[in-house]
Amino acid sequence: NAGVTQTPKFQVLKTGQSMTLQCAQDMNHEYMSWYRQDPGMGLRLIHYSVGAGITDQGEVPNGYNVSRSTTEDFPLRLLSAAPSQTSVYFCASSYGTGGTEAFFGQGTRLTVV
Amino acid sequence: AQSVAQPEDQVNVAEGNPLTVKCTYSVSGNPYLFWYVQYPNRGLQFLLKYITGDNLVKGSYGFEAEFNKSQTSFHLKKPSALVSDSALYFCAVRDNADRGSTLGRLYFGRGTQLTVWP
Repeated sequence: NAGVTQTPKFQVLKTGQSMTLQCAQDMNHEYMSWYRQDPGMGLRLIHYSVGAGITDQGEVPNGYNVSRSTTEDFPLRLLSAAPSQTSVYFCASSYGTGGTEAFFGQGTRLTVV
Repeated sequence: AQSVAQPEDQVNVAEGNPLTVKCTYSVSGNPYLFWYVQYPNRGLQFLLKYITGDNLVKGSYGFEAEFNKSQTSFHLKKPSALVSDSALYFCAVRDNADRGSTLGRLYFGRGTQLTVWP
């Protein structure tokens, strides 16, 4: 049972480059989300999805795009990387909302130079 | 607005002593409350949650948390700390009144670094 799988684990980008962070879950969860973790700031929501074909913005969506073509996959795209996007990114999924806990991937550590 | 506060950036305790990691929250409706633990270079792991019912909830690795509605708190506790409990702990809340664009959103505190020394 893989749970939530994120790739890659580490990435270095040059300013202006684009890339896609992959996230896949095998638990048939409807709700998926992307967070970024910065020191002293906790986790901040970037984008989320309540099901295939439905996405919405979180609190820090600028510079990022998402899509949800299948229940399993929820990729995060950086359109034109900036140093301010240097962070650790976590993908999470949950069966629903309310009292269901979220399951997190291992994270992607991104450095933009 | 929904929010979570973890007033202590760091908590240091000796092994064998009880530990408490504090969390307070603010929501519009009723809260669903969660604690997660993060070990170095790892993702967040679920520890325990409060949905309804008994105010004292028990979770993984001997942790428990007490929900206090009047104080809007959900402090994490363990009777006897272990060195292996050293990690970063996050409190999170969902608001059952959230609808539309905030439906299902988890709000996280900034985290508390717990260090247990031998």
